Amino acid sequence: AQSVTQPDIHITVSEGASLELRCNYSYGATPYLFWYVQSPGQGLQLLLKYFSGDTLVQGIKGFEAEFKRSQSSFNLRKPSVHWSDAAEYFCAVGAGGSYIPTFGRGTSLIVHP
Amino acid sequence: KAGVTQTPRYLIKTRGQQVTLSCSPISGHRSVSWYQQTPGQGLQFLFEYFSETQRNKGNFPGRFSGRQFSNSRSEMNVSTLELGDSALYLCASSLTGYTEAFFGQGTRLTVV
Repeated sequence: AQSVTQPDIHITVSEGASLELRCNYSYGATPYLFWYVQSPGQGLQLLLKYFSGDTLVQGIKGFEAEFKRSQSSFNLRKPSVHWSDAAEYFCAVGAGGSYIPTFGRGTSLIVHP
Repeated sequence: KAGVTQTPRYLIKTRGQQVTLSCSPISGHRSVSWYQQTPGQGLQFLFEYFSETQRNKGNFPGRFSGRQFSNSRSEMNVSTLELGDSALYLCASSLTGYTEAFFGQGTRLTVV
């Protein structure tokens, strides 16, 4: 079965600084990979997804992620963080062609002014 | 177009009671999945319905059940509520389950 690890429970950055959130997955074949964001009291919004092809994926809100098969990683990046980016970020993996994701435990992003 | 709608948004129930949560998917979507989100366990997959049939199931006890109607609306039922069932229950809809999933805002269930 597939699984996802997000090693950082909390990340604190200053507004304007760059951001990288880590995600490692476990799955035997090429997975479908997702990053979702959840603001307090809200549902999840899809930031970006990877299925195949170009390993650098562009998403909404200026986010991007890079799939590295050799490292089983799918890290999320943003060059300059805005205060409104403060939220919970979830990495997820879908296996066997399924879009039903298995989620990591999430990383809480705190943005200092 | 309208997004995924979950009702009610908030619910308080007593231990031992049962509860029914509702999810209206995006028009045309036939797959509906349910998730439980708690601080301790994170986001856990409950089940997925497609064309009124349960297609996938997570690791939850039989107290958790669901169904899907012919219009793709789905309900989730939890019987004999326990304190540990307090959680945010999220519903996601997808055209087929093999396309992007869109999430609702969730139903916050508190069991007292």
